[in-house]
Amino acid sequence: SSDLTQDPAVSVALGQTGRITCQGNSLRKYSVSWYQQKPGQAPVIVMYGKNKRPSGIPDRISGSGSGNIASLTIAGAQAEDEADYYCASRDTSGNHWVFGGGTKLTVL
Amino acid sequence: EVQLVQSGAEVKKPGESLRVSCQGSGYSFTSYWIHWVRQMPGKGLEWMGRIDPRDSYTNYSPSFQGHVTISLDMSISTAYLQWNSLEASDTAIYYCTIVGLNTGTHYDAFDIWGQGTMVTVSS
Repeated sequence: SSDLTQDPAVSVALGQTGRITCQGNSLRKYSVSWYQQKPGQAPVIVMYGKNKRPSGIPDRISGSGSGNIASLTIAGAQAEDEADYYCASRDTSGNHWVFGGGTKLTVL
Repeated sequence: EVQLVQSGAEVKKPGESLRVSCQGSGYSFTSYWIHWVRQMPGKGLEWMGRIDPRDSYTNYSPSFQGHVTISLDMSISTAYLQWNSLEASDTAIYYCTIVGLNTGTHYDAFDIWGQGTMVTVSS
């Protein structure tokens, strides 16, 4: 089990908006980050500090959150957004890091 | 260019030892913690542990404590993940990653990743 909980799968129609959520008590205290992983590739950071986008990440990807829930929103979803998405944060002790179980985003 | 370059794929038998490496370049190696992450076949990411290059302080996930060792060779800017006795359940891709180089250490984000090392343990 993971200290961060994600829905296993989310589907979104091409060009529509999809949202992936991450829930955990540690999010009340520690920063969340999000990673995109495509088959056969290493993870890539797509969001950090709840709503900060690294260089090169399209602005159709945004982050938000409050309390113990963080969200990653993909507006105008494209075929290339189809991937596994993971959230991460420190655990409630602050001494370790944890990943959510991952969400498989399918663009229909 | 900032890079973490990992050693190549390994095939081992149960009970054998193994050390995989992660060499950093293009940045100040001592300035950023190096973390290791496991991904078992078809499964999600799992944080294993981390090492601070300033003082070699390590801490591990309880799930991995006592089964793996993380270490450094500062002379070649390289971190290692080591097993003394592999098990079939260690079959996975292992990634090294660093926190905060581009995103700032305050945000605890893994912003640079190695390419991964596939470890297969089979009799």
